[in-house]
Amino acid sequence: DAKTTQPNSMESNEEEPVHLPCNHSTISGTDYIHWYRQLPSQGPEYVIHGLTSNVNNRMASLAIAEDRKSSTLILHRATLRDAAVYYCILRDRGYGGSQGNLIFGKGTKLSVKP
Amino acid sequence: GAVVSQHPSRVICKSGTSVKIECRSLDFQATTMFWYRQFPKQSLMLMATSNEGSKATYEQGVEKDKFLINHASLTLSTLTVTSAHPEDSSFYICSAREDNPGAAQETQYFGPGTRLLVL
Repeated sequence: DAKTTQPNSMESNEEEPVHLPCNHSTISGTDYIHWYRQLPSQGPEYVIHGLTSNVNNRMASLAIAEDRKSSTLILHRATLRDAAVYYCILRDRGYGGSQGNLIFGKGTKLSVKP
Repeated sequence: GAVVSQHPSRVICKSGTSVKIECRSLDFQATTMFWYRQFPKQSLMLMATSNEGSKATYEQGVEKDKFLINHASLTLSTLTVTSAHPEDSSFYICSAREDNPGAAQETQYFGPGTRLLVL
């Protein structure tokens, strides 16, 4: 699986926007970009995913670079509840064998200050 | 969003005993389910992939005879840790991929996790 690179940690102030970067310079044409987050002592929670175009949902926005070698997860107004580890994961479109499995890296630990 | 449940949420057992963890997709069908393990301050590690009605596929280094996986229906998968030892103490998380053949990417949902402590 192609790997991603994320900063180990980031800090944000409550009610301010947060931009979480992810580099994936070896992404292939069939890889989707997925974001999950994990609150302490909980299972990961799906946030958003995309292929080429920017995506928006009720939780966040995903901005994908034109060359697809990087992406940014945008939380428009951070709340204390958004403090979590955010994982950027590449997932192949295929499902044969191990294709399509979600392989987690270390993620970015986001702290939100009141 | 879709919900995945796990039972129990916490379990303490004696060394040498077996522990079964259940994973259920509550409002969707999942042909494929996954089991992960997470040690403190580390990321999730994929242990195995299970497909309904067939044998599970284990990741390299994961003992299939120690971690028995059964995926008997489209909404239930179980992980049994056999002859558990203290080093098996960990946070076990299951995940289910929602069956949606028409979708470009089927979303994968995670359970809340089961914390296992082996004394």
